[in-house]
Amino acid sequence: EADIYQTPRYLVIGTGKKITLECSQTMGHDKMYWYQQDPGMELHLIHYSYGVNSTEKGDLSSESTVSRIRTEHFPLTLESARPSHTSQYLCASQSGGAYEQYFGPGTRLTVT
Amino acid sequence: GQNIDQPTEMTATEGAIVQINCTYQTSGFNGLFWYQQHAGEAPTFLSYNVLDGLEEKGRFSSFLSRSKGYSYLLLKELQMKDSASYLCAVGSRGSTLGRLYFGRGTQLTVWP
Repeated sequence: EADIYQTPRYLVIGTGKKITLECSQTMGHDKMYWYQQDPGMELHLIHYSYGVNSTEKGDLSSESTVSRIRTEHFPLTLESARPSHTSQYLCASQSGGAYEQYFGPGTRLTVT
Repeated sequence: GQNIDQPTEMTATEGAIVQINCTYQTSGFNGLFWYQQHAGEAPTFLSYNVLDGLEEKGRFSSFLSRSKGYSYLLLKELQMKDSASYLCAVGSRGSTLGRLYFGRGTQLTVWP
């Protein structure tokens, strides 16, 4: 069973603040992903990584950045939060040879 | 690009059978996935089809027709706990990364 963790689970923050959403997995998975999901809408890929020091932007335009300094850790940073960033952010990981992605519990972000 | 279509909502009664359809158009098909997502929780993997035909796993089965760009998820002997959103996702070929494109999900409500 994959273990993937996200903190915080819920966050309410004011406009203009810098925030970092944490994601960690203990499975040693090479591939990691960040998705954004609004209610009733599809998951949109915003960033991905297929290994340490490798990161790419996904489909959804975003003012966020990510880093992958360690295999198990894939944090997402918003330099200046805006109300349009209000959403649920889901982190996922995947073993290099497998097809299944394991998702974390998500961070529900509200920017006021 | 990717275009994935599935019904927004479905309802059924406990003990019944329900079929959730998904149609897709994709450039570079590399598998069809079904995920289950309970409200406020992370998506969890249900099934994966890469070849045509039916894959059965307990009460859940998934079918794929690549020539028709069509899949369905069949849920038998419905239980109240099956009330959730069911996400259809398509894997993309041509990338070293196992990225997925998700539909908007079908919200299934099971009534007693």
